[in-house]
Formats: sequence, C-alpha cells, structure tokens
Amino acid sequence: DGGITQSPKYLFRKEGQNVTLSCEQNLNHDAMYWYRQDPGQGLRLIYYSQIVNDFQKGDIAEGYSVSREKKESFPLTVTSAQKNPTAFYLCASSTGEGYGYTFGSGTRLTVV
Amino acid sequence: QKEVEQNSGPLSVPEGAIASLNCTYSDRVSQSFFWYRQYSGKSPELIMSIYSNGDKEDGRFTAQLNKASQYVSLLIRDSQPSDSATYLCAVNPGGATNKLIFGTGTLLAVQP
Repeated sequence: DGGITQSPKYLFRKEGQNVTLSCEQNLNHDAMYWYRQDPGQGLRLIYYSQIVNDFQKGDIAEGYSVSREKKESFPLTVTSAQKNPTAFYLCASSTGEGYGYTFGSGTRLTVV
Repeated sequence: QKEVEQNSGPLSVPEGAIASLNCTYSDRVSQSFFWYRQYSGKSPELIMSIYSNGDKEDGRFTAQLNKASQYVSLLIRDSQPSDSATYLCAVNPGGATNKLIFGTGTLLAVQP
C-alpha cells in the first residue's frame, strides 16, 4: 500500500542537540511538506519541496533544515537554534497544484 | 495575511443529529478547499475536497462552498460518536506551490 512513513513516532531531544525526523513516501508525489502543530495554533508550514534538489522556506523555517536528495525522502533536522522545538511534526505529500495532502502519522518531539 | 478562520468549539451534538462545521477564508482568489479530520493524537485525514460553488456529497458528508461569501462548510449527517474529532479546514490560495493554509480546527463531540 502507498503512503507516507514518518519515524520515529516519539523523539526526545536534549538541550543543544540536533535531531533528524525521517519522512519517506511511496506515492510518487512530487511535492512534500513539513508542518508543525502546537495546541491551539493549527498547522504551520516549516519547509516545502516541489522537486528533487529544491526546497523553500515556509512560515517558520528558523532553526530547521531539510534536504531533498531523492523524490521519496524529505528529512527534517531540528537544530539547536530552534528554541522551542516541542511539538507534533507532520510530513505531507501532494501530487500537485489543487490537490489535497496525504499526511504521515507524525513525530512527537519533546525537549528533555 | 491570508487567513482561514474556524470556531474552535467544542461543538456538541447528539448522536444521529446533523453537525455543521463552518470556515471562512480571507483570500478571494482561493481555488481549492479541503476538510480534514484529526483524531486526538493522530495525523489529519482528508475527508472532503471541493472546488466549485455549491454542494458536494460523499456518504454522510456534504461540503458546501460559497466563494462570493468566502465561506465553506461541512455537514455530517447522522452523526456518530466515532465522528468525534477535530475538523480542520484548509484552503489553497492559488499558485503553483500548492501551499495549503489551515484553520485551527473545530472540535466536534458527538454525545451517545
């Protein structure tokens, strides 16, 4: 079955540590997105990529980095520069303009 | 700034009733509209998309779009306790990037 796989499901980060969240899709979608969800604030766009080897900043890109070396993969690194990283991170993909997103199951990141 | 507004709720309806969820958006040129269902602790799931003025029905769900009033709604007929979730409205304001803008969601509680 096609879908989006995010791992790990839960992740704990120590102060000053970089962590990487994995996102893999086998839907053959060109576009991929990373969102952050905080209680009461809805989904906020971190980064998005429409094609391999190209990506753009979203609304809250500071403290995050991404890569898109393969069509199937769009990992997100939460760097130590992100001062409030505790949140639910959602990866999504889309077949193109005008289509809705398919979401992965999410990664819950907590700072310890 | 482009916005999507939803009443946060909770919207409480008895089992078997019609639940009516509403969403307004600020960008008049928006072209595509989506409703997602999100159970607590889970990722959003696409349940309806609508692109033209009027109604679109899929089983117990009906999406309604009024572009002149910049208003989109979701009706759930014969509401079931399993429909209890947060419903997110998402709007594509147009352009090749297909970036969706999400509302903060309405929490629906169906009482048995």
